[in-house]
Amino acid sequence: DTGVSQDPRHKITKRGQNVTFRCDPISEHNRLYWYRQTLGQGPEFLTYFQNEAQLEKSRLLSDRFSAERPKGSFSTLEIQRTEQGDSAMYLCASSPDRVRTGELFFGEGSRLTVL
Amino acid sequence: GQQVMQIPQYQHVQEGEDFTTYCNSSTTLSNIQWYKQRPGGHPVFLIQLVKSGEVKKQKRLTFQFGEAKKNSSLHITATQTTDVGTYFCAASRMRFGAGTRLTVKP
Repeated sequence: DTGVSQDPRHKITKRGQNVTFRCDPISEHNRLYWYRQTLGQGPEFLTYFQNEAQLEKSRLLSDRFSAERPKGSFSTLEIQRTEQGDSAMYLCASSPDRVRTGELFFGEGSRLTVL
Repeated sequence: GQQVMQIPQYQHVQEGEDFTTYCNSSTTLSNIQWYKQRPGGHPVFLIQLVKSGEVKKQKRLTFQFGEAKKNSSLHITATQTTDVGTYFCAASRMRFGAGTRLTVKP
């Protein structure tokens, strides 16, 4: 039973560089979420996909952030022209389309450090 | 935007003592979820509450949803060292509280 997989687990980059994170959800999970978490804070919602459709995107998200889920399976989150304030843990979560329990299954996260 | 406030931010207890964390919203919630995140780990789902006044129990954990569906609480009876971690509430999966970090002294 494979859970939500994220890659890379750690990324160190210089300010101004672009970075991309990948998330592989649990097989057959239609819904996929991206969150950002900084130390001492709860996960901050970034965006949400149902299959390949991006249904919601946080207004707090700058234009430097973009996410895709082209075939409704894996998803990528790209950050362009990284800034030091982008340093955080980027979490991906998935769930089935019809979920009575409300459960989200989180991956281990991708930790980004911008120097 | 609409926020979910969670208190306290930190709680340090002696093993065997009880622990409670509270979650409050200024707006009525359709549902609320609770998650636990161990140090260095990722959030793990505990439960979802949907109905007004709902109370659910999981062994030593008791979850409540307020009558007005604007607040919720998680109570742990007789804490153990395995309860260490940060407990988050979340409204509709998109608004997480800042969490309550629980440490337990053996």
